[in-house]
Amino acid sequence: HLQLQESGSGLVKPSQTLSLSCAVSGGSIRSGGYSWSWIRQPPGKGLEWIGYIYNSGTTYYNPSLKSRLTVSLDKSKNEISLKVSSVTAADTAVYFCARVRGSGLFDYWGQGTLVTVSS
Amino acid sequence: DIQMTQSPSSLSASVGDRVTITCRASQTISNYLNWYQQRPGTAPKLLIFSASTLESGVPLRFSGGGSGTDFTLTISSLQPEDFATYYCQQSFNAPITFGQGTRLEL
Repeated sequence: HLQLQESGSGLVKPSQTLSLSCAVSGGSIRSGGYSWSWIRQPPGKGLEWIGYIYNSGTTYYNPSLKSRLTVSLDKSKNEISLKVSSVTAADTAVYFCARVRGSGLFDYWGQGTLVTVSS
Repeated sequence: DIQMTQSPSSLSASVGDRVTITCRASQTISNYLNWYQQRPGTAPKLLIFSASTLESGVPLRFSGGGSGTDFTLTISSLQPEDFATYYCQQSFNAPITFGQGTRLEL
């Protein structure tokens, strides 16, 4: 049974870099046919797709965030990472990692981790 | 970007009711439309993909329809565990976008 677990800094100061990891268990991120994604949800609001990465390392980012994003794979740890630079209060959200199946549906999700941007 | 608009934004209903949520895309997306359920404090759960295909393990009271720009999610007989927020999502092209959500309340 596939499980995803986010971890990382829960409080980040404005202008700094947000760093999160997503540990995958019960399956390998090297598995063909899937990619991995980050999605975020500001408190009380809707879902925003951040970007995804194929097991080849190819990435696709939301243009609204692209200049500040880095998504990468650590195959030795079976983890996906996210970095968002130059954060502001608008980046405060619950961040989810998810497996992407097919043409872009999210079939397994982590439980999410809240990141607050505040001085 | 493709804009996804759900209606209504919130909906009050009772156990046993039949409810329908609609989702409209700002341009045609064929059947690249997925539906998720999110209960408070939890991650979204995939219910339906490709507009009308039920994800494994999802109860048969859920159904989806539509193609092009207009889509529906129907719950045939509401159960207590169905009171949650529902999101549509298009996967026709990047960036992937979600509707704003429909909150289903008792």
